[in-house]
Amino acid sequence: KAGVTQTPRYLIKTRGQQVTLSCSPISGHRSVSWYQQTPGQGLQFLFEYFSETQRNKGNFPGRFSGRQFSNSRSEMNVSTLELGDSALYLCASSTFRLVNEQFFGPGTRLTVL
Amino acid sequence: KNEVEQSPQNLTAQEGEFITINCSYSVGISALHWLQQHPGGGIVSLFMLSSGKKKHGRLIATINIQEKHSSLHITASHPRDSAVYICAVSPNTGNQFYFGTGTSLTVIP
Repeated sequence: KAGVTQTPRYLIKTRGQQVTLSCSPISGHRSVSWYQQTPGQGLQFLFEYFSETQRNKGNFPGRFSGRQFSNSRSEMNVSTLELGDSALYLCASSTFRLVNEQFFGPGTRLTVL
Repeated sequence: KNEVEQSPQNLTAQEGEFITINCSYSVGISALHWLQQHPGGGIVSLFMLSSGKKKHGRLIATINIQEKHSSLHITASHPRDSAVYICAVSPNTGNQFYFGTGTSLTVIP
């Protein structure tokens, strides 16, 4: 089975722009979660999607949003980028629930200038 | 307030040493996860625990639900074990996923 894929792997944006990141889960996995990792805050949970519905959400501002498509692929959008949004964004898929084993993608490294 | 605390933050060991990383949490959980992250960012799930003990090769993970504590042990450590080890919990409210700050392990040949 192919693993979790994320595109793009690297991205450079400027403040005020918006960005869309993509995640393709392992075939058959219906739950996709997104995480932000920064040196200062470590790993933080953004949100989780299951069957095209956002089931869980972390403590992030409304500038961070996402969606999931019928094929379980997911996108994450960040609008009005700030310098502090520079981070590694990871997605993970699991078979059913957030509590299940998570399989992580390689991440998208976002740099905001 | 950190729902998950890990110790130590940094650990240096000689090859062959027995290593223990500790994780304490403050919320009721459905499961606890141990993750490994190598330089470059890739994260691998090592264990998912809800009770007892699990073993995979030289790695052993234990959890004590009553004491809200888990340990990750590495026996006969090897330089390729050098990585950041992260403890994470799925609370039984099911609406979040909390991470520890990670333990950076360096194993010297």
